Amino acid sequence: DTEVTQTPKHLVMGMTNKKSLKCEQHMGHRAMYWYKQKAKKPPELMFVYSYEKLSINESVPSRFSPECPNSSLLNLHLHALQPEDSALYLCASSLGGGELFFGEGSRLTVL
Amino acid sequence: LAKTTQPISMDSYEGQEVNITCSHNNIATNDYITWYQQFPSQGPRFIIQGYKTKVTNEVASLFIPADRKSSTLSLPRVSLSDTAVYYCLVGDIYSGGGADGLTFGKGTHLIIQP
Repeated sequence: DTEVTQTPKHLVMGMTNKKSLKCEQHMGHRAMYWYKQKAKKPPELMFVYSYEKLSINESVPSRFSPECPNSSLLNLHLHALQPEDSALYLCASSLGGGELFFGEGSRLTVL
Repeated sequence: LAKTTQPISMDSYEGQEVNITCSHNNIATNDYITWYQQFPSQGPRFIIQGYKTKVTNEVASLFIPADRKSSTLSLPRVSLSDTAVYYCLVGDIYSGGGADGLTFGKGTHLIIQP
């Protein structure tokens, strides 16, 4: 199994909603990542988890809250988002270095 | 921070060999060079990774000169389906060297025509 699975694929939410994006991998990878990608821009690194501990937080606003319940799962909790947060959110995993395996992304629209 | 510079866009034709160069003048000793391909609305996909000289796999070759200040991704005999954005990432990805090797630059939009 060489897949990173992200759910939901599409999400529409209001600015007062609370929602979560989920990411799962069963490749035994110990590093997992969240990226945000706006249209026609490169992916921007948001968070890095290494061995289930947050190791890199690229100064992301607190309305984004990551959680790594175990080595296979990564969540991104969303609260009080702004319309400019609408983007493709990508999850990736790696064996602690080397190749990043990306999911297909969750397309988020904030109204 | 090993900043990378790539051409914004390139055009080629089916069946041609395409070479995309990435400049990384301040590459550090422990840094590796990794290339990814991305289609619209999909996650990036790993193409190839190298440290020095030449690396080849079933889809591409990566050429790295001795000074390692640049690298060239070579795609042999491209097809229409190779139209995508190609990203070069440079960083210390094996010894916990921070976010450098995880940071995407602006990428090169490669367009293949019939």
